[in-house]
Amino acid sequence: GENVEQHPSTLSVQEGDSAVIKCTYSDSASNYFPWYKQELGKRPQLIIDIRSNVGEKKDQRIAVTLNKTAKHFSLHITETQPEDSAVYFCAASKPGGFKTIFGAGTRLFVKA
Amino acid sequence: DAEITQSPRHKITETGRQVTLACHQTWNHNNMFWYRQDLGHGLRLIHYSYGVHDTNKGEVSDGYSVSRSNTEDLPLTLESAASSQTSVYFCASSPGTSSTGQFFGPGTRLTVL
Repeated sequence: GENVEQHPSTLSVQEGDSAVIKCTYSDSASNYFPWYKQELGKRPQLIIDIRSNVGEKKDQRIAVTLNKTAKHFSLHITETQPEDSAVYFCAASKPGGFKTIFGAGTRLFVKA
Repeated sequence: DAEITQSPRHKITETGRQVTLACHQTWNHNNMFWYRQDLGHGLRLIHYSYGVHDTNKGEVSDGYSVSRSNTEDLPLTLESAASSQTSVYFCASSPGTSSTGQFFGPGTRLTVL
């Protein structure tokens, strides 16, 4: 069945360093890849997304890359700040349907 | 402002009782979803709906049911609560025009004793 694997499960970085979270999806028909940030005790919130006709998308300090051939996509956060500390989820969905499969999440710690 | 709300925010119940969690959105979104979140499992899809009177099973639907009688609401019912259903439940919605991100409710923490 459809599956999204996410690595690492935990990531600790020093403030100012970069953080990279990687995901792999199983269904080659997937064409939409959102990323969500969930702060402690809060709801998940969409922070960036990418569609399969684009290889990279950037929004200030965050960027997402997509390799359709390898079925990989990654989240890159540059110049990390303590407020970036949260759980990040990658996800994938297919055209024609809106059901989304989520990765298990990455807990990011940014040390001041 | 448009929003998505869940009630109750916290619920403690006993094994075997029927429990209903409410989800209400004012965006007029066609798509609504219920997830449960447990440590180590991320967000797992319970049920989803693409419009009024449409409901579909997700990956962990056993023991849960939903109904969609209008656009705004998708209540989730646990027919006979079990301790394994202790979790945080999130409702979400999205427009029905193309694949887009989902908007999540604040969550309901359910404890089954």
